[in-house]
Amino acid sequence: QQQVKQSPQSLIVQKGGISIINCAYENTAFDYFPWYQQFPGKGPALLIAIRPDVSEKKEGRFTISFNKSAKQFSLHIMDSQPGDSATYFCAAIDFGNEKLTFGTGTRLTIIP
Amino acid sequence: KAGVTQTPRYLIKTRGQQVTLSCSPISGHRSVSWYQQTPGQGLQFLFEYFSETQRNKGNFPGRFSGRQFSNSRSEMNVSTLELGDSALYLCASSLDVGAQPQHFGDGTRLSIL
Repeated sequence: QQQVKQSPQSLIVQKGGISIINCAYENTAFDYFPWYQQFPGKGPALLIAIRPDVSEKKEGRFTISFNKSAKQFSLHIMDSQPGDSATYFCAAIDFGNEKLTFGTGTRLTIIP
Repeated sequence: KAGVTQTPRYLIKTRGQQVTLSCSPISGHRSVSWYQQTPGQGLQFLFEYFSETQRNKGNFPGRFSGRQFSNSRSEMNVSTLELGDSALYLCASSLDVGAQPQHFGDGTRLSIL
């Protein structure tokens, strides 16, 4: 059962453009929503995270938008750079059962 | 501060064998979680250990097991290996049970022939 649905599966964006990745969830008990970035041959690394009582969080070029009523959240990468080319995973955790549930991942490619 | 260290980085085994993977968490982190990553199923939670006790377990068969030592280092074992066990096995550590964020190692790539 896929509790966190992520789209698109792959994304190609021109350098300087905005990359947008979307996630949706069903479990209203989720307390924390992190985004991870993974480069080939490396483990996932935390990029940015948000709690459901906040609608937006920005860190540098990365912004999470959170819509609690729609049970959706998204990652926006502004001024996308070739170095941002990686696979991005959204995730969610219910602190009650302590399990981190991941989306299926988005392979992002930034072209010059 | 050193990150999460997983050994070995690569392993090749044959069907029916067993394998043990090792994970050393970040110093001071007491919780260790294990994940399986495959192209088809993505990242799936295997189990979490804290204070040498398994706290949570994902939906994997009993062939997958783990343990944690008093220094928080953890091992996971897979017995009677199947072709479908080929995957990247990731370990993540955090300060406390269920605490976020989790910090991931670079994984052990297990290939079953």
